[in-house]
Parts: sequence; C-alpha cells; structure tokens
Amino acid sequence: DTAVSQTPKYLVTQMGNDKSIKCEQNLGHDTMYWYKQDSKKFLKIMFSYNNKELIINETVPNRFSPKSPDKAHLNLHINSLELGDSAVYFCASSQDWVGVVFQFFGPGTRLTVL
Amino acid sequence: DAKTTQPNSMESNEEEPVHLPCNHSTISGTDYIHWYRQLPSQGPEYVIHGLTSNVNNRMASLAIAEDRKSSTLILHRATLRDAAVYYCILETGNTPLVFGKGTRLSVIA
Repeated sequence: DTAVSQTPKYLVTQMGNDKSIKCEQNLGHDTMYWYKQDSKKFLKIMFSYNNKELIINETVPNRFSPKSPDKAHLNLHINSLELGDSAVYFCASSQDWVGVVFQFFGPGTRLTVL
Repeated sequence: DAKTTQPNSMESNEEEPVHLPCNHSTISGTDYIHWYRQLPSQGPEYVIHGLTSNVNNRMASLAIAEDRKSSTLILHRATLRDAAVYYCILETGNTPLVFGKGTRLSVIA
C-alpha cells in the first residue's frame, strides 16, 4: 500500500487556469506538508497542517490555497496559474510536528504551466 | 537557510564504501541530524538520524563528530540503486525539514 499518494502525477495546463493537486496518507499521521521543488531542484516548504489546522504558511502567493478536509488529506488548489508555478510538488506527512520528526513523502506531481 | 554544508557531488564505484560528509558548525545542543535521499523522479526518503552517538541501520551508518559540528553518512557497499541526492538536515523539533542543495552521488558500475 502506498503510504503517501498524490494525484495527478503529471499536470499540464495553460496560464490563468485553476488546478488542484490531491494528497492522501494512510499512515495515521497528524501532520501533513506541501513542498515545491523548482527547476534548480531546491525543495522548499510551502504549508504545514496539523490535525487539519494550518501551522506553517511560508511566503507563498495567495493564489495557493491548501485545504485539509480531514487528517488524512491535504489538497493544494492553485488559482490563476503562472509560468513560474511550473515545478514538482511533493506532499509529505509525519506523525507529529514536534519532537523528532520523520517525514514520509509522496511521489510528487509535476506541474507544467504553458 | 539549511544550516548545513555538503559537497555538490561525489562519485563512487559500485560495491565500494561511500562517505558523504556534512558540516553543521552552528548546530545547537538539541538539533537532530537527519539524512534523507531523493532517488531520480521520486520524493525524498528517510535514511537515518542521530543526536550524539553513531547510528547504524539497514540502509547506512551515521558517524557524528564529537563536537557535533560535522557528520558523515556511510554507505557500506554502494549499489547503482544508491545513486541519488543525499540531504543532510538539522531538525529542531518544531519546524518542517529544511532541505539544502544536497550531494548528488553517482555510482559507477
């Protein structure tokens, strides 16, 4: 069974469109994250949720809105897509966000904005 | 700010040991040292972590300097499947992991 899954794996869309990426974890973890890995391969934290509540919101444009319907899901909705949004987006989860944290990552969603 | 320094790339022959260094001179007393790796076209995966003592698991060994300002990830017998980017990360306990550039390990058959 896949611990952290993301859909879709690939997403190609036009500038200005709105799109969503879904993430689910079946590990029973309380904390979930979204990371962005750009073309230079830097992996940067975007958001973190603990028990469905937002605990970390890095400097991310308002066009990005995470939504956590329950502890097992953290979806990422992006409005008005721009060329610079093209990247690989990784979802991750951990048991908690305090103490020693082990993060489990999903396979990534490659977003290409044309 | 990743707070760790790693070589950009390293190369190893297959079935030979690999020592991946990491400097973290600003480490605080409660920071854990984590190593993750990212195989091509995959998400990062946990490798090993430690605080003060050396650690071993099925994937690797972690050697931590006595002053904790540096550490070394040891792969005892590199295989082609170990070719990946290896990240050394300081974990403070209440923030998500901050990934630096990592070390790209190439394994030569």
